[in-house]
Amino acid sequence: KQEVTQIPAALSVPEGENLVLNCSFTDSAIYNLQWFRQDPGKGLTSLLLIQSSQREQTSGRLNASLDKSSGRSTLYIAASQPGDSATYLCASGTYKYIFGTGTRLKVLA
Amino acid sequence: DVKVTQSSRYLVKRTGEKVFLECVQDMDHENMFWYRQDPGLGLRLIYFSYDVKMKEKGDIPEGYSVSREKKERFSLILESASTNQTSMYLCASTTGTVSYNEQFFGPGTRLTVL
Repeated sequence: KQEVTQIPAALSVPEGENLVLNCSFTDSAIYNLQWFRQDPGKGLTSLLLIQSSQREQTSGRLNASLDKSSGRSTLYIAASQPGDSATYLCASGTYKYIFGTGTRLKVLA
Repeated sequence: DVKVTQSSRYLVKRTGEKVFLECVQDMDHENMFWYRQDPGLGLRLIYFSYDVKMKEKGDIPEGYSVSREKKERFSLILESASTNQTSMYLCASTTGTVSYNEQFFGPGTRLTVL
């Protein structure tokens, strides 16, 4: 049974810092991996989707990588801003999506 | 622009009431999903539907049912609400094969059962 883990559960960084969020999954037979952002009390906003045949995807200051063999994905945020403060979730896609419990990020001004 | 809407942002109901949560998407997506989100447990799949009138159980279907009479609308029904169903409910949709495509989420419904 697929398990998705995100460590750390919470992270606090000063503005301007580059940071990496981690996502691990136990079953490498995934079709894709998706990263989401969730603001308090709101729904999930899709950030990046990486298909299993891809190694990475980029959108603006965000870069997500996927290493199926090691069961890992990372989300890199460049030059972090206070507006990046949110919870970031990853989800592995097989027959259905399995979600991690998220990393709560706080960027301090 | 992609749009998934949910009928209520906040809902307060009493134990034993029948509760309807509605989700509508305007993207002509085939697949729709209902999740609940609880602190420390993450998102858990309740039910999903891959076509009109079709449904499949997710990981935690007990106490819930669903209805999909039209492609754009997917309803979650709590037949007799209980306090342990207090949660954030999230609807999502995706086109094509369930696993391959990007999921789009609605804003969520925060349900409190007293």
